[in-house]
Amino acid sequence: SQELEQSPQSLIVQEGKNLTINCTSSKTLYGLYWYKQKYGEGLIFLMMLQKGGEEKSHEKITAKLDEKKQQSSLHITASQPSHAGIYLCGARTQGGSEKLVFGKGTKLTVNP
Amino acid sequence: ETGVTQSPTHLIKTRGQQVTLRCSSQSGHNTVSWYQQALGQGPQFIFQYYREEENGRGNFPPRFSGLQFPNYSSELNVNALELDDSALYLCASSLGAPETQYFGPGTRLLVL
Repeated sequence: SQELEQSPQSLIVQEGKNLTINCTSSKTLYGLYWYKQKYGEGLIFLMMLQKGGEEKSHEKITAKLDEKKQQSSLHITASQPSHAGIYLCGARTQGGSEKLVFGKGTKLTVNP
Repeated sequence: ETGVTQSPTHLIKTRGQQVTLRCSSQSGHNTVSWYQQALGQGPQFIFQYYREEENGRGNFPPRFSGLQFPNYSSELNVNALELDDSALYLCASSLGAPETQYFGPGTRLLVL
């Protein structure tokens, strides 16, 4: 069974539009991580969330963690073509474990 | 860039052969994790090494094995290659849970 579900699977937006990607866990979260991946390349770390209600921002990307709902969201404001890629949420579902489980990813296309 | 390097970048092997993939961790990081990412999927945890010892393993058969060296670099060995082993292999280094894992660019393995 999939421990992390991401939605939507893919997203096509016009440049300048806002968008949100969601990540829901079927298990207790011990840290939630957002990464971005260009096709066939390594993962680029975006943000780490550990505490319920935590919210972090970097440039035009904001991530929030709802620990009670075991959910996280990633919001991009005024999207740009440089935001295009695959966004992956990863989480530790065992305390103290190094193992990260990942969602299948959300493919984002930003049309100029 | 994360400072995590992997070699080779691409590799083509035939079924039944053996392969060794290499990873150099970010300076100061003592923990290396290996992941397998099939096309269209999120990364799947293979195993993790901490100070030269395996310290956690995912649902992969014993023909997947690894090593970590005193300088914290690591190798992933796969014996008796199968067609389904074709994937992007990613290594990630960190200071250990719950610290962030930083990923290398990956090695693309194709098994024919």
